[in-house]
Parts: sequence; structure tokens; C-alpha cells
Amino acid sequence: AQSVTQLDSQVPVFEEAPVELRCNYSSSVSVYLFWYVQYPNQGLQLLLKYLSGSTLVKGINGFEAEFNKSQTSFHLRKPSVHISDTAEYFCAVSVRGSRLTFGEGTQLTVNP
Amino acid sequence: ETGVTQTPRHLVMGMTNKKSLKCEQHLGHNAMYWYKQSAKKPLELMFVYNFKEQTENNSVPSRFSPECPNSSHLFLHLHTLQPEDSALYLCASSQDHLAGGRGETQYFGPGTRLLVL
Repeated sequence: AQSVTQLDSQVPVFEEAPVELRCNYSSSVSVYLFWYVQYPNQGLQLLLKYLSGSTLVKGINGFEAEFNKSQTSFHLRKPSVHISDTAEYFCAVSVRGSRLTFGEGTQLTVNP
Repeated sequence: ETGVTQTPRHLVMGMTNKKSLKCEQHLGHNAMYWYKQSAKKPLELMFVYNFKEQTENNSVPSRFSPECPNSSHLFLHLHTLQPEDSALYLCASSQDHLAGGRGETQYFGPGTRLLVL
């Protein structure tokens, strides 16, 4: 069975600073990887996903993530964050024929 | 309306009450899901429906009773809940019930914040 670990439960940063949210997964087969974002008082929405092909995936709102098979990671990055990026971010993994497995989430707080 | 809607957005109920949560999706999807989101825990998948048929029940207590009359509507009937059932209940939909396994996206509603007193 697959699993996903988000290494940081909380990440505080200042506005316009770069940020990286870390995600590691475990699976013995090929995976699909996702990042979802949950803004306050809202449901989750897809930021980006990796299915195959280029390991660098670009998503909405200037976010990108890189799939690293050897390190079984799918870290999320943004070069310059805004106050409006304050939200909870969830990494998720699935394998063919299975459901999504979500991580515990990382709360990103952007301070002025 | 577009996307996935949920009502009510907030609900306070006593342990002896009976209430229902409603979810509606306007995306033409075939699969719908109920998740429970508690603080500091991963999302817990509760139920999955595909073409109105329940395909998954993750050992959810019987005080939670789902209903899916058609592919666009999903209900969660609640009765004799416990305080530990207080959480955010999220509904989601996707084209197929194995959405993640084919790389498809799940679309989430805003959730119902439930408080059980």
C-alpha cells in the first residue's frame, strides 16, 4: 500500500520569500502525485499533479513541484509567496487502480 | 451553481439529534465521496459511491448513514453522534470512483463544519 509523509506540519515565512513544502511517499509501483490547497473555510482544490513525463510540474498561482523518483519525493515550491498563499497544503499519492492517500497537511503562514 | 456545493455550512447538534448533510455536484461526474477532516489528522475517506452504488465503506460507525439517490446528490444522515464526531465533513466528486488511480482530479465542496455537543 502507498503512503505519504509531509515532513513539516507548519511553515511560517515572510511575504516575498521563497518556500518549499516537503512531501515524501512510499510505494513499490509507479505513482501519481498531487498537491491540493485548502484556503480558510473552503474545500480542497487541485494545485498541480504529476502523472508522467517531465518531472517538473507547474501549477496554479505560481507553484511548481518536482518529482524525484530516486528520493521518492514531490516537494512543492514557490519562488516568492504572497499573504494570500496562507493555507493548508496537502500532498496525495495514488497508484493505478487505487484511491488517493492524503498526507497530514502543511500549514503555510505568510507573514507581512 | 457550479462545482460542488454543500449545505449547511455549519451545524451544531446535540447527541440525541438527527440531522442530514447535503452535497450536490454540477460537474456531470459519476463518483461521489464523503471525507472527514479532523484537526492534525489526514483526511479520512468515509464512503464512496459510483453510479449511485456504494463501493466503499471504511468501517464507518452506523450512526453515519449515507444516501445517494442519483449521481449528482449525496447525503450523510447523522444520528446519536458523539462529541468526537465534531469535524469538517467534505464531499468530493470525480469522473470515476478510482479517480486517483487514473490520475484524475477530485473536486471538493467547501465542507460542513459540524459541532456535536
